[in-house]
Formats: sequence, C-alpha cells, structure tokens
Amino acid sequence: NAGVMQNPRHLVRRRGQEARLRCSPMKGHSHVYWYRQLPEEGLKFMVYLQKENIIDESGMPKERFSAEFPKEGPSILRIQQVVRGDSAAYFCASSPRHNLNTEAFFGQGTRLTVV
Amino acid sequence: DAKTTQPNSMESNEEEPVHLPCNHSTISGTDYIHWYRQLPSQGPEYVIHGLTSNVNNRMASLAIAEDRKSSTLILHRATLRDAAVYYCILRDGAGGGADGLTFGKGTHLIIQP
Repeated sequence: NAGVMQNPRHLVRRRGQEARLRCSPMKGHSHVYWYRQLPEEGLKFMVYLQKENIIDESGMPKERFSAEFPKEGPSILRIQQVVRGDSAAYFCASSPRHNLNTEAFFGQGTRLTVV
Repeated sequence: DAKTTQPNSMESNEEEPVHLPCNHSTISGTDYIHWYRQLPSQGPEYVIHGLTSNVNNRMASLAIAEDRKSSTLILHRATLRDAAVYYCILRDGAGGGADGLTFGKGTHLIIQP
C-alpha cells in the first residue's frame, strides 16, 4: 500500500505564474488535509476536503488559493499568480476516517520556490 | 484550540532513553493527545496518540498524567535517526480546522553520537 504521494517534489515558478500541487491519498482514504510550512516555521493547516467537498477552508488565504478533491484523481492545491511569499513546503495528509482517534499520514511535500 | 507547551530543544545521547515533555493544562475531556515528528526535509510522521491511559507502540511510549494536564513521549533507546522536531498536538473536535492538526513549534531533539 503506497503512502501519500505528492508531486512534484520541487516546483519553481516565476512571480505571476500558477502553481498546481497534486496529492494522491493512501488507498481507501477519503479525507485529505493540506498544510503549509514557511521556512523555519511550523506547519499551518490550510484546508480539509472529503471526496468532491471542501469541509473546512478556514486556513486558506482568501485570494489566489483554491483546492479540490474530485471523485476521480488526486487532490489539487492551486495557487494563482504566485508571489515570493508563497515560497514554502506544502504537505498533504490523508486519513481513512474523520475522528479524533485516527492518525494522519503525510506525504513528502512539495517545495515551492517563487523567483 | 487547546494549546500545548514544549521545550524548544532537547539533547540526548545515542542509545539512551529520551523523555520529551508536553504541557496541555487547558485540555478538555475529549481531547486526544497526538505526537508527530518531522525529520529534516520530510513530511510529518505519526508517532503515537492516547486519551487517558499510557500507550505503547513499536516507536515509543506515551505517558499521560493522571490529571491529563501533561504528557511525556518516551523514546526508549534513541538513535541518530530519531533526531527530528517532535510535535505534541491536541486533536480538538470543537475547535477550528475541522479536526485538522494544529502544529506548534515542537521540540527539536538533537541526538549526540
């Protein structure tokens, strides 16, 4: 059973371009969470999705950021018109259930660099 | 969300036990205590979690105080591969993030050979 797969591992974008980050959860997991880690800082929750639904996006910046988890295919975190401050590591996690007694499995992250 | 307090860093010697403390004095009755760690340049990794009773697994042990206001992650025999940032997290179903994990700054564990 493969773990959470994120791609690409590294992504370089020029200011103003779009960044698309992909996350394939573990098999059988229908709950996906995205986190952002700025350099030298802790992880910050961004958004929680369940198949085809955004459950909580309270951590998402109001503009330029969007996320989806379609019925088929990976979850996508999309950043439009990237700026230097978007440079960070973006981690995706998945879990089989949504309760307090469940561990989350994280991917290796996508490191976005905006130049 | 209930908050946790951890030392910024700790140092230990290889092959010795390590006790990583966490204070969570505002914990509520239904909060689970989770520990994750993050090795350099990697994603977080689940370590262990518990509610009231002490827990053991292949990676570590979790000792929870009787009043649940603190807990200790115990690595029984640290290796160099255990050098990481360790996060103590309360999973709070009543708070924000819809049960997304709330990471603090964690404890940077340094293992000396």
